[in-house]
Amino acid sequence: EVQLVESGGGLVQPGGSLRLSCAASGFTFSSYWMSWVRQAPGKGLEWVANIKQDGSDKYYVDSVKGRFTISRDNAKNSLYLQMNSLRAEDTAVYYCARWTRPFDYWGQGTLVTVSS
Amino acid sequence: DIVMTQTPLSSPVTLGQPASISCRSSQSLVHSDGNTYLSWLQQRPGQPPRLLIHKISNRFSGVPDRFSGSGAGTDFTLKISRVETEDVGVYYCMQGTQFPLTFGGGTKVEIK
Repeated sequence: EVQLVESGGGLVQPGGSLRLSCAASGFTFSSYWMSWVRQAPGKGLEWVANIKQDGSDKYYVDSVKGRFTISRDNAKNSLYLQMNSLRAEDTAVYYCARWTRPFDYWGQGTLVTVSS
Repeated sequence: DIVMTQTPLSSPVTLGQPASISCRSSQSLVHSDGNTYLSWLQQRPGQPPRLLIHKISNRFSGVPDRFSGSGAGTDFTLKISRVETEDVGVYYCMQGTQFPLTFGGGTKVEIK
């Protein structure tokens, strides 16, 4: 059974940093593109970033370019999102998802709140 | 960027009756490989999104056959043949043809 479990969310001040993690199991992690998708409270879904199987290709939505970095550790079956220079508008539930064009499996999400 | 527009915003439906959601993209979703990467997701209240349909009309594993997808190019439709209580939630279309990946704004399906 495919499982994706996010962690690392919490309350952070504007301008601060946070690192999200996603632990994957039930499939060969190193064979798949992976993604982060976020959802602001009461709002719709917004794609954040994608990373190729070996980490050699990465894509980001414009609003996070230069501030967020997606990475992975295939030996640990883990996906990460380093978030720097956080803003109030980054407040959202962040989901880890497997990307097979579409997003076929999703985690439960982790809440990031950016507030002073 | 490809803009995905869904209608209606809200769809009150009687149990057992059909529901239909439309999704229009601002440009063709046909990829250079010949596939059209349009998918539909369901998000029940308090739950993460769940994949229903991919490549316009292919039901994902475990999805009931009352869900069906159709369309081509820039116009797509999700249909629920007979709405059940468990179908309440928000439905999103999404394009995976080019980056940035984009979602429709969502359609809320509720029971009358």
